[in-house]
Amino acid sequence: EDQVTQSPEALRLQEGESSSLNCSYTVSGLRGLFWYRQDPGKGPEFLFTLYSAGEEKEKERLKATLTKKESFLHITAPKPEDSATYLCAVQGQDSNYQLIWGAGTKLIIKP
Amino acid sequence: DTAVSQTPKYLVTQMGNDKSIKCEQNLGHDTMYWYKQDSKKFLKIMFSYNNKELIINETVPNRFSPKSPDKAHLNLHINSLELGDSAVYFCASSPGQVYRGYTFGSGTRLTVV
Repeated sequence: EDQVTQSPEALRLQEGESSSLNCSYTVSGLRGLFWYRQDPGKGPEFLFTLYSAGEEKEKERLKATLTKKESFLHITAPKPEDSATYLCAVQGQDSNYQLIWGAGTKLIIKP
Repeated sequence: DTAVSQTPKYLVTQMGNDKSIKCEQNLGHDTMYWYKQDSKKFLKIMFSYNNKELIINETVPNRFSPKSPDKAHLNLHINSLELGDSAVYFCASSPGQVYRGYTFGSGTRLTVV
């Protein structure tokens, strides 16, 4: 069964303190792994898609990487506006195009 | 000019009532979805429509019935509401079935009392 586990559940950082969020997955043939950002009271906002191990994507202070078992979302010198819940999802080749979602990591950046 | 708009944003209702949530997208996307996000923040697919045709219908009680009058609209009607239906419901759309990035609405928080 396809599964996504994100860790930690919550992460509190000082402004400027770099760290990483983890997304571990099991899937029968990865079609793609996706990162989203969700602010309170809003829908998830698309960040990145990664398709194969070794691939990396960057956007401002965020960098996503992918291995055969997990993905990391690295955040460099975060600012308070980076505070949000970050969601990971995977699409497997046998999933009928459905996404399997993790529970997210709530990131809080203190000024 | 909101891309995916849902109404209402909040819905408080009593057990046993029937309610509807509306969704409209102006992105020209072919595929629309309904997701349920529970208190633990897990997003679960409920339904997916591609060009008004139902393509995904997960294990959802028959009390939930989606309707797509055209490819820009996907509404969700819920009969005989139960306490366990309380959650945030998100509508989303994408250019096609093969994943190209979803655009989500802002959600409808349903509270059944």
